[in-house]
Amino acid sequence: AQSVTQLGSHVSVSEGALVLLRCNYSSSVPPYLFWYVQYPNQGLQLLLKYTTGATLVKGINGFEAEFKKSETSFHLTKPSAHMSDAAEYFCAVRPASGGSYIPTFGRGTSLIVHP
Amino acid sequence: DTAVSQTPKYLVTQMGNDKSIKCEQNLGHDTMYWYKQDSKKFLKIMFSYNNKELIINETVPNRFSPKSPDKAHLNLHINSLELGDSAVYFCASSQDGGEVGPQHFGDGTRLSIL
Repeated sequence: AQSVTQLGSHVSVSEGALVLLRCNYSSSVPPYLFWYVQYPNQGLQLLLKYTTGATLVKGINGFEAEFKKSETSFHLTKPSAHMSDAAEYFCAVRPASGGSYIPTFGRGTSLIVHP
Repeated sequence: DTAVSQTPKYLVTQMGNDKSIKCEQNLGHDTMYWYKQDSKKFLKIMFSYNNKELIINETVPNRFSPKSPDKAHLNLHINSLELGDSAVYFCASSQDGGEVGPQHFGDGTRLSIL
């Protein structure tokens, strides 16, 4: 079984500041990891995913995430926040092989960006 | 062009009624999903279809019945609606048999039970 913990249900940053959204996972087998973004009144959009290969993954809108196996983490970062980044962010995990290929989602982190 | 479209966007109805939500994707994807998002934004998979065949059927009451007439459509019918069914329901799709999970989501159907 796998699970995801997103630390902090809300993260508040100033425009131009570094964005760091934390995600730790639990999986008995190597994982695939995902970050999704949900803007108000919309569905989720896939920001980026890690499957195999390079552990630093670049996504859309300037976001990136690094898979750290030793820390069981997949934190999402962006060097400089824009007002348009304000949204809900979801981390998700699924096993790379075996079991269900349906990702398990975290509870989400709401990113608030102040002018 | 909308990749994954759901109708209706809002659905307000009374307890005990039967309702349907429709979903269509124009991406040529072979896998479609239904998710339920509760008031605390927790997302839970309900069903997954691959090429019109049911792949995943999570612990969902029998009152929920998905139907996939072709691989571009996945509809959700709900019988005898209950207060606890109030939520946002998302349809999603992905390619390659869902190997890397849902890639595109619709904008959701906000279901409110009175």
